[in-house]
Amino acid sequence: DIQMTQSPSSVSASVGDRVTITCRASQGISSWLAWYQQKPGKAPKLLIYAASSLQSGVPSRFSGSGSGTDFTLTISSLQPEDFATYYCQQANSFPPLTFGQGTRLEIK
Amino acid sequence: QVQLVESGGGVVQPGGSLRLSCAASGFTFSSYGMHWVRQAPGKGLEWVAFIRYDGSNKYYADSVKGRFTISRDNSKNTLYLQMNSLRAEDTAVYYCAKDPPGGTSWPDYWGQGTLVTVSS
Repeated sequence: DIQMTQSPSSVSASVGDRVTITCRASQGISSWLAWYQQKPGKAPKLLIYAASSLQSGVPSRFSGSGSGTDFTLTISSLQPEDFATYYCQQANSFPPLTFGQGTRLEIK
Repeated sequence: QVQLVESGGGVVQPGGSLRLSCAASGFTFSSYGMHWVRQAPGKGLEWVAFIRYDGSNKYYADSVKGRFTISRDNSKNTLYLQMNSLRAEDTAVYYCAKDPPGGTSWPDYWGQGTLVTVSS
């Protein structure tokens, strides 16, 4: 199975900051990567698919990049509603779908 | 709009059984593959099972293979997860999620989840 590793595990930032989260795959996955946002007590929400495509309705301050084994999620200017946990997920090799361990974005 | 509503969670003893349901609306259920994904308390996301749009193929995580069975009734727009021989480590919120257009990749809509607690 392909393992997904996110870094950092947690990050503190302020409203207006630019934040980058990294996801690394244990083997090449081309652009078969998605990013999700999850708020406490809520279901995950798809933000980015195919490494860099923005899901409909997601604000343009979210962007994704990368291919192969290294990927990033960037939030250009943090808003109060962006404080949440973010997960990457690979879809190159199925089954199984595999997720990163999550990155918790906290208010500084 | 797409809606997925899980039900059937609860408290069950180790070794017991439970059947989860996921009622779908707002899209053509019979055209999409469906997943179950779970999240143990305070932990990350773990994919559990998948069923093709027509029920012809099913896949399971190693951790549940032989104990859980995914199924669907396209006439009722409902997805199921039969869970047998439950263990404490199966305690989690269980989400159903649908495939996006184009095939199995990144689930694009998720239900609100149903909590399963395995405890004596």
